[in-house]
Amino acid sequence: EVQLVESGGGLVQPGGSLRLSCAASGFTFNNYWMHWVRQAPGKGLVWVSHINRDGSGANYADSVKGRFTISRDNAKNTLYLQMISLRAEDTAVYYCVRVTVTRVLDYWGQGALVTVAS
Amino acid sequence: QSALTQPASVSGSPGQSITISCTGTSSDVGGYNFVSWYQQHPGKAPKLMIYEVSSRPSGVPDRFSGSKSGNTASLTISGLQAEDEADYYCNSYTSGTPYVFGTGTKVTVL
Repeated sequence: EVQLVESGGGLVQPGGSLRLSCAASGFTFNNYWMHWVRQAPGKGLVWVSHINRDGSGANYADSVKGRFTISRDNAKNTLYLQMISLRAEDTAVYYCVRVTVTRVLDYWGQGALVTVAS
Repeated sequence: QSALTQPASVSGSPGQSITISCTGTSSDVGGYNFVSWYQQHPGKAPKLMIYEVSSRPSGVPDRFSGSKSGNTASLTISGLQAEDEADYYCNSYTSGTPYVFGTGTKVTVL
């Protein structure tokens, strides 16, 4: 069974940093691109970032470029999202998502809540 | 990249059919057959319901169906059931930002 379990969320002050982790199991992790998608309270889904299978390539939404860094450790089957210079508008549930070769976001984690407030 | 346009809400009685539209551009919905639909119940993660415009993952009831015409994709729920009450989001691969989501549609079962 495919499982994606996020951790590392919490309350952080504006300007602070946080690192999210996503532990993957039930599939061959290094065969898949992985994504982060976020959802602000009461709002819709927004794509944040993705990383290729071996971690050599990544892309980011303009709103997080230069502040967020996606990475992965295929030996540990874990995806990461390092977030710095956090702003109130980064407050959201962050989902770790697996993507197939045909660009389908097929499995989602349960989400990690990040709250940026003083 | 702008979000894809969906109606804010759609409602129907049990047993009825409803259709949710998802309008984009030739750079996303109209340019690729990589349109997906997700169901999200309150406090839960999104669940894949339709992929590649009209394919259903294993376990999704066949009363959920998808289609596309030009720059607009559609999700139809036939034989609406109480458990179908949820938010629905479309998603498309794009030539710009790799993925764009729809604005979301709240489905209410009357």
